[in-house]
Amino acid sequence: AQSVTQPDIHITVSEGASLELRCNYSYGATPYLFWYVQSPGQGLQLLLKYFSGDTLVQGIKGFEAEFKRSQSSFNLRKPSVHWSDAAEYFCAVGVVQAGTALIFGKGTTLSVSS
Amino acid sequence: DTEVTQTPKHLVMGMTNKKSLKCEQHMGHRAMYWYKQKAKKPPELMFVYSYEKLSINESVPSRFSPECPNSSLLNLHLHALQPEDSALYLCASSQDPTATYGYTFGSGTRLTVV
Repeated sequence: AQSVTQPDIHITVSEGASLELRCNYSYGATPYLFWYVQSPGQGLQLLLKYFSGDTLVQGIKGFEAEFKRSQSSFNLRKPSVHWSDAAEYFCAVGVVQAGTALIFGKGTTLSVSS
Repeated sequence: DTEVTQTPKHLVMGMTNKKSLKCEQHMGHRAMYWYKQKAKKPPELMFVYSYEKLSINESVPSRFSPECPNSSLLNLHLHALQPEDSALYLCASSQDPTATYGYTFGSGTRLTVV
C-alpha cells in the first residue's frame, strides 16, 4: 500500500528566505504526487502536481517541487517566502486504481518570521 | 465554474439534532468525497462516491449518512452526533475516481456538537 511521510512537523522561516518542505512516499510504481496548502479554517488548495515527464514541476504562488525517484521524494520549494505563505502544507499520493483515494501526509506547519 | 461549494460554513448542533451538510460542484467531476479534519491533523477520508455510487466507506459510524442525489450534489446527513465529532468537514471532487488528477476541495463546514 502507498504511504507518504512529511518528516518536519513545524518549520519557521524568515520572510524572504528560501523554503524547502520534505515529502517522502512509499509505492512500488510511480505515484501521482500532490502538494496542497491550507490556511486556518479553510479548505485545501492544490499547489502543484506531478504525473510524469519533467521532474521539476511549477505550481501556483511561486512554488515548485522536484520528483526524485531514487530518493522517493517530492520536496516543495520556494526561493523567497512571504508572510502570507504561513499555513499548513500537505503532501499527498495517489495511484491509478479505481476505488482508491488520495493518501495525505501528516502535514507541515510553516511559520514565517519577520 | 471551478469551485466546490459547501453549506453551511458553520454549524452548531445538539447531540439529539438531525442536520445535513451540502456540497455542490458543476465541473462535471464524477467522483466526490467527504473528509473529516481535526485541528492540526490531515484530512481523514470518510466516504467516496464514484459515478454517484458509494464506493468507499471508511468504517464511518452510522450516525453519518452520505447521499449523492445526482452527479453535482453530495450530502452528509448527521444524527445523534457526539462532541468528539466536532471537526471541519471537507468535501472534494475529482475528474474521475482514480484520484490521479488531484482533488478540488471546498472550504469546509465547521461543525460543533454541543
